[in-house]
Amino acid sequence: KNQVEQSPQSLIILEGKNCTLQCNYTVSPFSNLRWYKQDTGRGPVSLTIMTFSENTKSNGRYTATLDADTKQSSLHITASQLSDSASYICVVSPNYGGSQGNLIFGKGTKLSVKP
Amino acid sequence: DVKVTQSSRYLVKRTGEKVFLECVQDMDHENMFWYRQDPGLGLRLIYFSYDVKMKEKGDIPEGYSVSREKKERFSLILESASTNQTSMYLCASTHGSSVYNEQFFGPGTRLTVL
Repeated sequence: KNQVEQSPQSLIILEGKNCTLQCNYTVSPFSNLRWYKQDTGRGPVSLTIMTFSENTKSNGRYTATLDADTKQSSLHITASQLSDSASYICVVSPNYGGSQGNLIFGKGTKLSVKP
Repeated sequence: DVKVTQSSRYLVKRTGEKVFLECVQDMDHENMFWYRQDPGLGLRLIYFSYDVKMKEKGDIPEGYSVSREKKERFSLILESASTNQTSMYLCASTHGSSVYNEQFFGPGTRLTVL
């Protein structure tokens, strides 16, 4: 069964610290993996998207890595800010030939950054 | 910038009422999606549409219908609202048929059914 598992479920860190969020998936065949940030009460916003041939992608202080062999991805946040407090959702797209109706969403990691 | 708007941020309805959730995108995207998001469950796809008047069932279509009469607008209809349809509803859109294209989400509608 295609699944996306994220860990931890929630995380509290102090402002200025780094953190890493994990995503493990069992989706096959694999097309791409995305990380979204969702502020409370808002819609998700894309941070990164990686295909199976990419193993790292950055967006400012956010760096995503992908190991397609072990089917693991991580999202590293550097020098966290209060505005990083949000849920981070890992989304995997299977390669079924051209439809986005098959995206598989993780349940998200809720990050709280404290002053 | 792509903009996906939803008609209401918050909505309170009574059991048995017919409910319409509207979504509009301004970037001429072919594909539009309706998801619901519940704590501990993540996003689940209700319906999607890849063209005007076309629709496909997602993972949880029961109790819902959709309408896409114009390219920019995708409506979600709850024919007879029930309390288990209390949820956050998110609309999204994307361009073209490539699985690599980004989905852009609206701000969400938090629906409460009493």
